[in-house]
Parts: sequence; C-alpha cells; structure tokens
Amino acid sequence: DAGVIQSPRHEVTEMGQEVTLRCKPISGHDYLFWYRQTMMRGLELLIYFNNNVPIDDSGMPEDRFSAKMPNASFSTLKIQPSEPRDSAVYFCASSGPGQGARGYTFGSGTRLTVV
Amino acid sequence: QQQVKQSPQSLIVQKGGISIINCAYENTAFDYFPWYQQFPGKGPALLIAIRPDVSEKKEGRFTISFNKSAKQFSLHIMDSQPGDSATYFCAASYAGGTSYGKLTFGQGTILTVHP
Repeated sequence: DAGVIQSPRHEVTEMGQEVTLRCKPISGHDYLFWYRQTMMRGLELLIYFNNNVPIDDSGMPEDRFSAKMPNASFSTLKIQPSEPRDSAVYFCASSGPGQGARGYTFGSGTRLTVV
Repeated sequence: QQQVKQSPQSLIVQKGGISIINCAYENTAFDYFPWYQQFPGKGPALLIAIRPDVSEKKEGRFTISFNKSAKQFSLHIMDSQPGDSATYFCAASYAGGTSYGKLTFGQGTILTVHP
C-alpha cells in the first residue's frame, strides 16, 4: 500500500485566496483525521470522519475552514478565505476498522504558506 | 482536561547516551499512550505505545515507563544514535463517545544526538 497520500506537498498562496488540501487514506481504513501542526500550538486535531461522516469538528478554528469526505478514498480540507495565520503543516491520518487511535498512519503533510 | 504536557522542548545528548522525555496528563479516562517519532518533512510515525495496566514496555532501545498514580509517562532511548535525531511526541487517547480514535498530542521534543 502507498500509505496516506496528501497533495500538494507545498502550497504558497496569497491572503484571501481559497486553498484546498487533499488526502487519500489507506484503502480499507474507515477513520480519517485532519491535524494542523504549528510551532506554537503543536499538533491539533481539526476534524475527523468515520465511514465518510464527520464525527467531531470541534477543532475547526472558524467558519473559513471546511472539510468533506465524498467517498472512502478521498477527503478535502478547504480554507476560504485564507489568512497568514493559517500557515502551518496540515496532516491527514487514517485508521483501520477497530483500530481507532491505535492504528494511525499519517501522510507526509502539506506545508501551507499564506503571504 | 484533554491536555498532555511534554518536557523538555529540546534535548541534546551524545551518541551512546540515554535520552529521556517526560509527559504528564490530567484525564484519568485516557487508556492508550503512544509515542510518535517525526523526521523533517515527514508525518509522525508510531514508535511505541503502552496501556495503563502495564508499568513498562520495551522495544529494542526504546522503553516507555508509566506511572498511573502520578499520571506521568516517559520515553527512554538507550544507546542514543545520531539517526534517532528527530521530534518526539507523546500522545493519549480514550475510547469514549466521540473521542474514539482521537489522539491528544504533547508539544513535542526536538532530540539531537551528537556523534
């Protein structure tokens, strides 16, 4: 298996623009997590899905952030409009049936820079 | 309380030395305590994990020590090698309700092992 695949690896955008980050989980995994990593706040859980359904989005910072999982093999995290404080590394992780927190596999992340 | 506190923020050891990283938690419902290792440009990867019914777990040069009464756990890296230089995160989770699968991470420790 190729693991969790995220794209793009790097994204530089101007303040106010829309940004879409993409994630392909490991085939057969039924949990998908979006985390954000910054020096100040470390790794923060933004939202997670189970069987394509959002379970907990309490970590989404504000209405500018939205996430979707239209099918078991694809998820997006969208920021509209983007702001410089959104600059961070965004990670997607997936976990298999019955594994929960014990089966996390992280992608390599998307480094977002908003100028 | 969902917080997990990790120390030190950074650690420098000589090759062959012992690296020790500590974490403390508040939520007594946590029932799974993993450590993750992250290299630059990569996502975190599971290193070793422990459940609270065990006081110690060893895998090769890596050992977790767990003190349930003190609500603390630590990672010991014996015979530290330059290849161990990375950022280490402790984490915790519990399986209740919408928390199933959610990991709460410590702030991370940047370990540098000098040759």
